[in-house]
Amino acid sequence: EAGVAQSPRYKIIEKRQSVAFWCNPISGHATLYWYQQILGQGPKLLIQFQNNGVVDDSQLPKDRFSAERLKGVDSTLKIQPAKLEDSAVYLCASSPDPGGRNTIYFGEGSWLTVV
Amino acid sequence: DAKTTQPNSMESNEEEPVHLPCNHSTISGTDYIHWYRQLPSQGPEYVIHGLTSNVNNRMASLAIAEDRKSSTLILHRATLRDAAVYYCILGPFYGQNFVFGPGTRLSVLP
Repeated sequence: EAGVAQSPRYKIIEKRQSVAFWCNPISGHATLYWYQQILGQGPKLLIQFQNNGVVDDSQLPKDRFSAERLKGVDSTLKIQPAKLEDSAVYLCASSPDPGGRNTIYFGEGSWLTVV
Repeated sequence: DAKTTQPNSMESNEEEPVHLPCNHSTISGTDYIHWYRQLPSQGPEYVIHGLTSNVNNRMASLAIAEDRKSSTLILHRATLRDAAVYYCILGPFYGQNFVFGPGTRLSVLP
């Protein structure tokens, strides 16, 4: 079974530029997550989708971050304009459906450096 | 805020058992207890989870206290590849907002 795919793996941009990250979840998984992980910290949830609807985006900085999940499969996370403090690993994860009984499967992450 | 408390770091010798503790005193009756680990430069990976009873799988064992306010992840024979950050997380029965704390950084000494 293929895992969660993310791209690009690494990205370096200047502040005020824009960047987009792509995620392809495990086939059939209805729930998709984007997490931000700053060096030395645990992952922080940015947004959670159920199919193509948003379940939780309370910690998404909506003035600069946006995310979409068209057709309930792939997802894109965009940052525009980027700030220095956005330097982090952006992790995509998926799960068959929400609920603590289920496992969340993570991708390898997209590493962003803002200079 | 994370709903669990873990030691910042632990050390173990290779081939010895490791017991990683986690306190979750505010756990609700329907919260699952999950453990994930994160190897360097990788995304977190699932280790084990349970609700009330102790659980075993090929990677580890999960011992859950009778009052469910604490749990212990047991690695039966630590290897160098087990060196990672281990996260203990509560997963609500409904919804799945996993809140990650800083976890426990496990070092395995040869």
